[in-house]
Amino acid sequence: GESVGLHLPTLSVQEGDNSIINCAYSNSASDYFIWYKQESGKGPQFIIDIRSNMDKRQGQRVTVLLNKTVKHLSLQIAATQPGDSAVYFCAGGGADGLTFGKGTHLIIQP
Amino acid sequence: DAGVTQSPTHLIKTRGQQVTLRCSPKSGHDTVSWYQQALGQGPQFIFQYYEEEERQRGNFPDRFSGHQFPNYSSELNVNALLLGDSALYLCASSLDSGNQPQHFGDGTRLSIL
Repeated sequence: GESVGLHLPTLSVQEGDNSIINCAYSNSASDYFIWYKQESGKGPQFIIDIRSNMDKRQGQRVTVLLNKTVKHLSLQIAATQPGDSAVYFCAGGGADGLTFGKGTHLIIQP
Repeated sequence: DAGVTQSPTHLIKTRGQQVTLRCSPKSGHDTVSWYQQALGQGPQFIFQYYEEEERQRGNFPDRFSGHQFPNYSSELNVNALLLGDSALYLCASSLDSGNQPQHFGDGTRLSIL
């Protein structure tokens, strides 16, 4: 079956620096990937998605890169701000709904 | 434009009881999915409803059941509650048109004593 997981449980960055959160997936049948941000006490908030026929997609201050060869996904956040502090999940779309990894807690240092 | 709303926000039950959680999808969405999120973990897919039918199901026992109404709102029912059912239950809605992003509510925190 498919599993989606993140490389690091915690990522600490300086305010203003760029953040890169990584994700690996095991099932190449997944054709759709999403990044979510979850703040304490709230549900996951959609950030950006990418389909498997793309290798890059940009949003406002965020970029998602997809490398299908090594089954790797990353989320880049430019000029990280205190409000970016949260747990970030990647999720893969498949026959069994969305499959989430455990998440990476992004901590912003002043 | 209201997003996904869930009720109640918190609930305390005891083992063996039954619980019903409710979800109203984002305006314009017709598909509702339910997830269970244990503390410190990512959400796990329970099932998805479309056109009032269960369309997909994750690895959850039959104690977990659901319903979707003609107005697209949905309920999650859990029977014979176990201590391990304590979790945040999340509802997500989407539009059934190819791969569309699911939008989540803030969940119902269920505690089993």
